This record gives sequence, C-alpha cells and structure tokens, in this order.
Amino acid sequence: EAQVTQNPRYLITVTGKKLTVTCSQNMNHEYMSWYRQDPGLGLRQIYYSMNVEVTDKGDVPEGYKVSRKEKRNFPLILESPSPNQTSLYFCASSFVGVQYFGPGTRLTVT
Amino acid sequence: QQQVKQSPQSLIVQKGGISIINCAYENTAFDYFPWYQQFPGKGPALLIAIRPDVSEKKEGRFTISFNKSAKQFSLHIMDSQPGDSATYFCAAANSGNTPLVFGKGTRLSVIA
Repeated sequence: EAQVTQNPRYLITVTGKKLTVTCSQNMNHEYMSWYRQDPGLGLRQIYYSMNVEVTDKGDVPEGYKVSRKEKRNFPLILESPSPNQTSLYFCASSFVGVQYFGPGTRLTVT
Repeated sequence: QQQVKQSPQSLIVQKGGISIINCAYENTAFDYFPWYQQFPGKGPALLIAIRPDVSEKKEGRFTISFNKSAKQFSLHIMDSQPGDSATYFCAAANSGNTPLVFGKGTRLSVIA
C-alpha cells in the first residue's frame, strides 16, 4: 500500500530534550516536506526537500532541522524543543503537485 | 509573502444544503489550485484540483469554480452530508513540485 508513515504518533517531552520524528514514504517520491498544524493558523511548511541531500526552509523553520540522506526518509529533528513547538506535525511526499500526507504526530513539549 | 486567504473559518450547513468555501490568492504565477479534506485524527487528503485553463471542475458533489481575473476560487459541496464534516484547505502553487501555499482552513459541520 502506497503510504507515508510517521513515528511516533504521539509524544510528550520536556523542554530541551532532543527528539526526532521519523517520516518514510514508499512511493519513490523525490519531494518531501514537513508541516505543522495549529488552530487558526492552518498548515505551515517547516522544511521541504526536492531530492536527496537537497533541503530548503519553509515558512517556519526556526527550531527545526531536517536531513535527507535517502529518498524514502525525511526525519524532523528538534534539537532543543520548547513549549511553542507543541503542535500537530505532518510529513508529506509529493508527485506532480499532489501531496500525500502522513497520519500526523501530536507533540507536546512541557 | 505569498498568501492564500480562505473564508469562512467555520461553516455550519444543513444536510442537503450547499456548502461554499472561498479562497483568494495574490501570486499570478500560481497555476495549480487544489483542495484538501481533513477528517479528525487524519492527515489532509487531496479532494479535487483545478488549473487555470478551465473555469470549473466537477467531481461528483464537489465543484471548484475558478475566476482568474479576480484571483479567486471556491469549493462548492452540493447536497452536503454529515460525512462531509471535516476541515477543508485550499492551496495554490506554481507548476510541478514547488511548495504548496495553504489557506488557514475551514471547519465544515453538516447537521441533520
């Protein structure tokens, strides 16, 4: 089944404790991206990647890192999470403009 | 900054009625306008999309109307059903795999 998977689905952590949210797609898509979704603010892009080893900042990149060492994986790294990064995070892969979203990761930073 | 403005923020429609969600964009280089549907606890999924060479696209009960001169596009849901209750996002992009710019979403509730 063609899909985008994210792990973990839920995470509660404390301020400053580094964490990684994994994202993997099995559709051989070159384009992948990360979004955060907050009430009243919609979907905001954090980072995107046009291909392996090519990443670029989206609208809200501060406090996040990404890497794209292989086509299928695009992890999101929070080196020092803060409470304002409490949000619902979505990974997506894209082909000819159609975004395929993962199921989401709900992150709470206390 | 490139923006897509979406309205209303929330919408309540009676079962069988027409739901209408509007979006406006600024960047005249946009040439791809999708709508995404998101159910609670799920990621958004593509519902329907249009390119500016046509003024309307219909798929079942869902229709996109596009007005290039006004830089506006809208989603119409005919015969709205409780199962249509979801959050809807409009978006816009240049051709190909360039970043989508999303509207802020509309929470639709269809009541019986």
